Amino acid sequence: NAGVTQTPKFQVLKTGQSMTLQCAQDMNHNSMYWYRQDPGMGLRLIYYSASEGTTDKGEVPNGYNVSRLNKREFSLRLESAAPSQTSVYFCASRLTGAYEQYFGPGTRLTVT
Amino acid sequence: DQQVKQNSPSLSVQEGRISILNCDYTNSMFDYFLWYKKYPAEGPTFLISISSIKDKNEDGRFTVFLNKSAKHLSLHIVPSQPGDSAVYFCAAVFFGNEKLTFGTGTRLTIIP
Repeated sequence: NAGVTQTPKFQVLKTGQSMTLQCAQDMNHNSMYWYRQDPGMGLRLIYYSASEGTTDKGEVPNGYNVSRLNKREFSLRLESAAPSQTSVYFCASRLTGAYEQYFGPGTRLTVT
Repeated sequence: DQQVKQNSPSLSVQEGRISILNCDYTNSMFDYFLWYKKYPAEGPTFLISISSIKDKNEDGRFTVFLNKSAKHLSLHIVPSQPGDSAVYFCAAVFFGNEKLTFGTGTRLTIIP
C-alpha cells in the first residue's frame, strides 16, 4: 500500500516549457487535490476533484490545468511555465465522509 | 483574506517541556479543525483533529484545544521530543465541504 505517489520528485523547466505532474493513490479515495506550497504562504489549493470525471478550481488555478484520468490518478499540467510557478507541489486524496487528506511526498519545481 | 492564521512562524522548546502551537480563525462557519506535521522534503501528515462540538481531543502526547468563542485552537505536545521538530499546519473546513483552508505554518524546533 503506497498511499499517494507523485512523479517526478524534482523538475527544472525553462520559462514557456510545459510539463505534467503525475499523482496516483491506491486507497480507493474519491477526492483528490493539488496544492502548492510557497514560503510564508502555507498550502494553497490549485484544483480538486470530488469524484472521477469532475474537477473544480481552488484558490490559485491560473496557469494550470488538471485531468482526473480515473479514480486513482489526478494530473496537473503547466502549459507554459512561468518563474512564479516555482514551488513545491503536493497531491492529496481524501475518503468520502472523512475530512483528513493524505498527502504525497511532493514535487519540487523550479522555473528559470 | 487569511481565514486561518498562525501568527508565530517559529517556536523553540527544550526537550521534555510542553510545546504549544496556536492557530486563530476568522470564519465562524468552520466546523472541523485539523493539525498536520511536515518534515523537510516530505508531504504533510495528519496528526490530530477536533470537531466544533468538542473543546478538547487527546491522542497520546498530542492534545488539541478549541475555544469557539475566541475562534482559537491550540496544539499541545507533552513532553516534547527531538522528533517533534517539524513545521505544523492547522487547517479548517466546513461540514460537507471538500476544501481545507490551511494556516501558514509554525516551525517547531526542539532543543536537546
